[in-house]
Amino acid sequence: GNSVTQMEGPVTLSEEAFLTINCTYTATGYPSLFWYVQYPGEGLQLLLKATKADDKGSNKGFEATYRKETTSFHLEKGSVQVSDSAVYFCALSADGGTSYGKLTFGQGTILTVHP
Amino acid sequence: KAGVTQTPRYLIKTRGQQVTLSCSPISGHRSVSWYQQTPGQGLQFLFEYFSETQRNKGNFPGRFSGRQFSNSRSEMNVSTLELGDSALYLCASSSQGGWQETQYFGPGTRLLVL
Repeated sequence: GNSVTQMEGPVTLSEEAFLTINCTYTATGYPSLFWYVQYPGEGLQLLLKATKADDKGSNKGFEATYRKETTSFHLEKGSVQVSDSAVYFCALSADGGTSYGKLTFGQGTILTVHP
Repeated sequence: KAGVTQTPRYLIKTRGQQVTLSCSPISGHRSVSWYQQTPGQGLQFLFEYFSETQRNKGNFPGRFSGRQFSNSRSEMNVSTLELGDSALYLCASSSQGGWQETQYFGPGTRLLVL
């Protein structure tokens, strides 16, 4: 079946540090890939997405590139802020008619940024 | 546009009871999906509804059920509650439920089963 694996957390960084959160996936065909962020006490917000190989999603300084050859979608940010502290989820949506409305999520990575 | 809304935000129930959660999607969205979030199992897909029909279902027991109304609002029901059903239940909506579409999430309903 389809699956998503994220790097083990939690991740603790100082403000302005470089961030990488690794995400790899297993799926047949050409899934769509997403990064969602969850702040305490809230639901999930879409951070960025990519729907085909070599696409780069970007938003709020975060970037991720859909790498079909390595089945990866790593999240990066050049300079993190305290306000980026949250839980980050990598997710996929498989192509094909049986995947309606279904996202498969990684386990989530807790990011804490200190001033 | 208003976002996805879920009611109630918090619920406390006892084992054996049943519970109904409600979700109102973004206006114009016809697909509604439900997820369970727990510290141990993470985010797991429950089911998806489109035009009042369940099109997709996750691996949950039959105690978990749902429905969708003609205005696209959706409810999920959990019968005979167990302690392990304590979780954050999230609903998400999208236009058609297609695999390339973004799902927009509500704030969730936090259920505590005692």
